[in-house]
Amino acid sequence: QSGVTQPPSVSGTPGQRVTISCSGGPSNVGSSTINWYRQFPGAAPKLLIFSNDERPSGVPDRFSGSKSGTSASLAISGLQSEDEANYYCAAWDGSLNGWVFGGGTKVTVL
Amino acid sequence: EVELVESGGGLVQPGGSLRLSCAATGLNFQNYWMHWVRQAPGQGLVWVARLSPYGTDFNYADFVRGRFTISRDNVKNTLYLEMNSLRAEDTAVYYCARDSQTSQFPFSTFDMWGRGTMVTVSS
Repeated sequence: QSGVTQPPSVSGTPGQRVTISCSGGPSNVGSSTINWYRQFPGAAPKLLIFSNDERPSGVPDRFSGSKSGTSASLAISGLQSEDEANYYCAAWDGSLNGWVFGGGTKVTVL
Repeated sequence: EVELVESGGGLVQPGGSLRLSCAATGLNFQNYWMHWVRQAPGQGLVWVARLSPYGTDFNYADFVRGRFTISRDNVKNTLYLEMNSLRAEDTAVYYCARDSQTSQFPFSTFDMWGRGTMVTVSS
């Protein structure tokens, strides 16, 4: 059972802004920088956001991350059909001495 | 080309063993921590284990500690996962991933992933 919680799904229409929450506790989200990964069906995950709010080269600025306390969020603005995927947050858990992923959020573009 | 390629997956009976490999090409393998992450069918990502660049430091998820062993061969640029006492709930795609953290890039992320190898534990 993951100690980090994400909503199972979020949806929006093209052009809309959607946010995905990532909620944990003091030992993980509260004391770790947060990374976000995107995974298309049948493919390996790919890094989307690191260190809470940094974008790797090549990631559009439509994607943004933030963190406050024991919660983090990923925002996708200007939603596009190609954004349909599963999104995962990840944090280092100092109590477990390991990485924990959120359960994942499926983004659907209506 | 920079890539990670996993192999060694397959069908194994409960209680059996399997050894996964992850061959790294095009990257300075010996400079990086490496991880195994798994994903059960239709489920989310779960971190399994990590190993330091020279194989001296490691961490495991609680559910595999004592059953799985992570190791590496920096001459062969290969990461391994020895899996013993396999259970049905170990059925998953197993990915190897590179940790991005170095002295030049102080952020720990899974910045490179292989395509995964499927492990099925069933009688």
